[in-house]
Amino acid sequence: SQTIHQWPATLVQPVGSPLSLECTVEGTSNPNLYWYRQAAGRGLQLLFYSVGIGQISSEVPQNLSASRPQDRQFILSSKKLLLSDSGFYLCAWEGQGKTGEQFFGPGTRLTVL
Amino acid sequence: AQSVTQLDSQVPVFEEAPVELRCNYSSSVSVYLFWYVQYPNQGLQLLLKYLSGSTLVKGINGFEAEFNKSQTSFHLRKPSVHISDTAVYFCAVSPSGGYQKVTFGTGTKLQVIP
Repeated sequence: SQTIHQWPATLVQPVGSPLSLECTVEGTSNPNLYWYRQAAGRGLQLLFYSVGIGQISSEVPQNLSASRPQDRQFILSSKKLLLSDSGFYLCAWEGQGKTGEQFFGPGTRLTVL
Repeated sequence: AQSVTQLDSQVPVFEEAPVELRCNYSSSVSVYLFWYVQYPNQGLQLLLKYLSGSTLVKGINGFEAEFNKSQTSFHLRKPSVHISDTAVYFCAVSPSGGYQKVTFGTGTKLQVIP
């Protein structure tokens, strides 16, 4: 069966520090991968998606970036965090049928102070 | 492009009462429809999905939803809620046929009152 991992689970970082969040998927190959952000009490904002290794599409211009160095690994990064980067970050992968059904990781709670 | 509207940001309901969470969508093409649930500090979990076939879809935890093409709706229902159903529920839509991005609604917080 397929599983998706995210780490760390929680993170507290000062403004201006770098960021690296990692997402890995097991039990499937060539998945579509997604990064979402959820601000407190808000809906999901799609940040990046990837249909293959090295292929990244950005949905929202900001100081975040994403990379996909391996088929089942998706990394969210920043060189300098802003206060507005605080939120709950979710990674998701799309099922083989490409119906839009997505499977979500447990999330990373990021607080920027 | 498609859009999803969840008009109710919060729905309070007493335990063991029925509940309906509303979802309307807009799309120029055929769609797949989903309901997800998010418990506090967790990722989203799929409740149910409509891809084709019967318009009444049954999901996990006793939830069901009905696809109404003429009204472009996909409302979620449960005949009797439990305290454990307290969570945020997201409706989502994806154009059918090939890879397309999913659009999520803004979510409805279901608060079950003892």
